[in-house]
Amino acid sequence: GNSVTQMEGPVTLSEEAFLTINCTYTATGYPSLFWYVQYPGEGLQLLLKATKADDKGSNKGFEATYRKETTSFHLEKGSVQVSDSAVYFCALTPNFGNEKLTFGTGTRLTIIP
Amino acid sequence: DTEVTQTPKHLVMGMTNKKSLKCEQHMGHRAMYWYKQKAKKPPELMFVYSYEKLSINESVPSRFSPECPNSSLLNLHLHALQPEDSALYLCASSQVFGYEQYFGPGTRLTVT
Repeated sequence: GNSVTQMEGPVTLSEEAFLTINCTYTATGYPSLFWYVQYPGEGLQLLLKATKADDKGSNKGFEATYRKETTSFHLEKGSVQVSDSAVYFCALTPNFGNEKLTFGTGTRLTIIP
Repeated sequence: DTEVTQTPKHLVMGMTNKKSLKCEQHMGHRAMYWYKQKAKKPPELMFVYSYEKLSINESVPSRFSPECPNSSLLNLHLHALQPEDSALYLCASSQVFGYEQYFGPGTRLTVT
């Protein structure tokens, strides 16, 4: 079956530090990959996506590259802000449709000033 | 516009009450979803509606009853809930089933 593995949290960084949150996946074929962000007390927001190998998704200074050879989709940001404090979920859906979204366990990120 | 709206934002109900959660999207999406999220966990899928037909029911207890009156609306009817049903209930939609999903802000449900 499909699965997503994220790095264990919580992650605490100082403002302006470099961020990496690791995500690896197991799936047949070529799934679509997503990062969702959940701010405290809110629903999930789609942060970025990639639908094929070597695609780079980017949004709000965050980036992730679809690496088929390592089955990875690591989230990166060059300089984090306090407002980036949230829970980040890596997720996938198979590319042949009619399949549910598979989530990782989530990584809680806290940025301190 | 990628907005999914949910009402109410908060709901407190007793174990004998009947209440409903509502979800609406105006993106022309043909798939809609209900999820349950407990603290510090990822969302768990409950139901999927595809083209207004129930497509997936993830063995959810019958005290949760979904309804899709039209392609823009999704309801979740609640009856005789248990305290362990307290959670954040999230609605989502996608262009069709299996595509990227857009989530609403959720309803925080407390069962007393």
